[in-house]
Amino acid sequence: DIQLTQSPSFLSASVGDRVTITCRASQGTGTDLAWYQQKPGKAPNLLIYAASTLQSGVPSRFSGSGSGTEFTLTISSLQPEDFAVYYCQRLNSYPLTFGGGTKVEIK
Amino acid sequence: QVQLVQSGAEVKKPGASVKVSCKASGYSFTGNYIHWVRQAPGQGLEWMGWVNPHSGDTNYAQKFQGRVTMTRDTSISTAHMELRRLRSDDTAIYYCAREVVTSVTGVFDSWGRGTLVTVSS
Repeated sequence: DIQLTQSPSFLSASVGDRVTITCRASQGTGTDLAWYQQKPGKAPNLLIYAASTLQSGVPSRFSGSGSGTEFTLTISSLQPEDFAVYYCQRLNSYPLTFGGGTKVEIK
Repeated sequence: QVQLVQSGAEVKKPGASVKVSCKASGYSFTGNYIHWVRQAPGQGLEWMGWVNPHSGDTNYAQKFQGRVTMTRDTSISTAHMELRRLRSDDTAIYYCAREVVTSVTGVFDSWGRGTLVTVSS
């Protein structure tokens, strides 16, 4: 199974900061990757799929890039509502796997 | 709008079974796969498998093979996930999620609120 490793696992940032989260795959996955945001007590929410396609309704400050084994999620200007845990997910191949998560907290 | 409404929290003893339901509304139930994903307390997300509401076909993660059954009842637009021989490490929130129809598989655009299953003697 393909393993996904996210870094950092925790980051502290301020409102307005540019934030980048990395997801590394143990094998090449093309662009078969999604990103989700999860707030406390809530279900995950789809942000990006196919590495860089923004889900309808998701603010444009979120963007995704990468292919093969290295992917990034970028928040161009962190907003108060963006403090959450972010997960990457392998697509298009079973078992679907998730990264371990990156918790974004307020500095 | 798309909604997935899950059944309520459960407390089970080790060795018992649990069946969680997920009622869909706001779209054609048979048009999208339903997946199940679980999350242990304070932990990450773990994919369990899917059911095709149209055909009833299923695909389970190897870890759960032989212990999980996913079914659907099209007459009430509801998917079910039954997990047997429960252990304490099955304590988790169980989510159902709708797979969006795109060029890639496994994209979840709508999720239920989750069902907490607690396994304790």
